[in-house]
Amino acid sequence: QKEVEQDPGPLSVPEGAIVSLNCTYSNSAFQYFMWYRQYSRKGPELLMYTYSSGNKEDGRFTAQVDKSSKYISLFIRDSQPSDSATYLCAMSDAGGTSYGKLTFGQGTILTVHP
Amino acid sequence: DVKVTQSSRYLVKRTGEKVFLECVQDMDHENMFWYRQDPGLGLRLIYFSYDVKMKEKGDIPEGYSVSREKKERFSLILESASTNQTSMYLCASSLGLLAGDSYEQYFGPGTRLTVT
Repeated sequence: QKEVEQDPGPLSVPEGAIVSLNCTYSNSAFQYFMWYRQYSRKGPELLMYTYSSGNKEDGRFTAQVDKSSKYISLFIRDSQPSDSATYLCAMSDAGGTSYGKLTFGQGTILTVHP
Repeated sequence: DVKVTQSSRYLVKRTGEKVFLECVQDMDHENMFWYRQDPGLGLRLIYFSYDVKMKEKGDIPEGYSVSREKKERFSLILESASTNQTSMYLCASSLGLLAGDSYEQYFGPGTRLTVT
């Protein structure tokens, strides 16, 4: 079993829809939870970051972490065609010398149709 | 702005060739990483380095080696390329040693390597 599981999709939604992207994980030591966005032919870029449990909102994006269920989510409100990309969840533990290693999910391909 | 550059966007090599992929970052980051990205498998860590001349194996190091002679430069070497190493290779860097300084990785644009 992979440490981080993410449904690769693809997910196709109409413009304006609410999108929900999810990951589950098995390593209870994970403390840092990230969502990266990757446009076609580009490298991933950090979109959202959450430490430990809770919610974080940034414009149309909301990240949620439920450590008791080992489940994280990214919600996109009022989705736009420009949101079409691959979304990767990533996690790391808080070890003193973790060297910043991240464990990534498989990535979900999202297409938002006009 | 942090910039991570990779030496080639596209590369075609023959089976058995020795292949060098170069990565340079300009923000004095301590950590550097090499990943490969394949459909349905996400990003898999090949090797990483947390200091000059220091390296650690990632999840899939077989068939690869790395070199970090200078802080800004991290090279991935395929000793004898094989067709199953056809993939997208991504280099990344992050700031420091502690997780709290390093959750943000900055990625290069990737090198699409085809081995025939």
